[in-house]
Amino acid sequence: KAGVTQTPRYLIKTRGQQVTLSCSPISGHRSVSWYQQTPGQGLQFLFEYFSETQRNKGNFPGRFSGRQFSNSRSEMNVSTLELGDSALYLCASSLDLLNYGYTFGSGTRLTVV
Amino acid sequence: GENVEQHPSTLSVQEGDSAVIKCTYSDSASNYFPWYKQELGKRPQLIIDIRSNVGEKKDQRIAVTLNKTAKHFSLHITETQPEDSAVYFCAASSNAGGTSYGKLTFGQGTILTVHP
Repeated sequence: KAGVTQTPRYLIKTRGQQVTLSCSPISGHRSVSWYQQTPGQGLQFLFEYFSETQRNKGNFPGRFSGRQFSNSRSEMNVSTLELGDSALYLCASSLDLLNYGYTFGSGTRLTVV
Repeated sequence: GENVEQHPSTLSVQEGDSAVIKCTYSDSASNYFPWYKQELGKRPQLIIDIRSNVGEKKDQRIAVTLNKTAKHFSLHITETQPEDSAVYFCAASSNAGGTSYGKLTFGQGTILTVHP
């Protein structure tokens, strides 16, 4: 079956713009988590969604937001982009909240110039 | 919040040798500990995980041990091969209070290089 699909793979944006990233979980998976990966900070948790509800949130500013749709697909949005937002954004999905096997997608590489 | 420390940051071994990566965590409520392997330009892949009610788990050449008292867990790779070269991340999570395991706190990663 198909894995976790993230689109687009690459993005280049200008400071001050906003961006929306998409994540389609493995079919049947209902829990989606988002992470930011940078060389300096490593992998950092952004937020988690289940049944269209945000279940958990990391320590990121309010410019970072997300949502989940009824088909479990998720999007994250970053507004007023800053140079420091350049990173690989990864999403991971799991069957449900009680399941602990999270599978990652290949990520979206965001570059802010 | 949870804090995970991972050592060493780089590890170089000869093919056939063993490799050990160690992590410590701070939150005693953490009860799930996965390890991910990330090759250059690829997604992190879950290679093995352990829950807090188990002290050791093995899958072929890979094993993980957990010491809850000391709050540390380790990844052991035996008979290393060049294709084991990658960045390895440990992580910790907790479903305490009815939350999910979805909030993983990661270590900083270990770059493992296996020389032929």
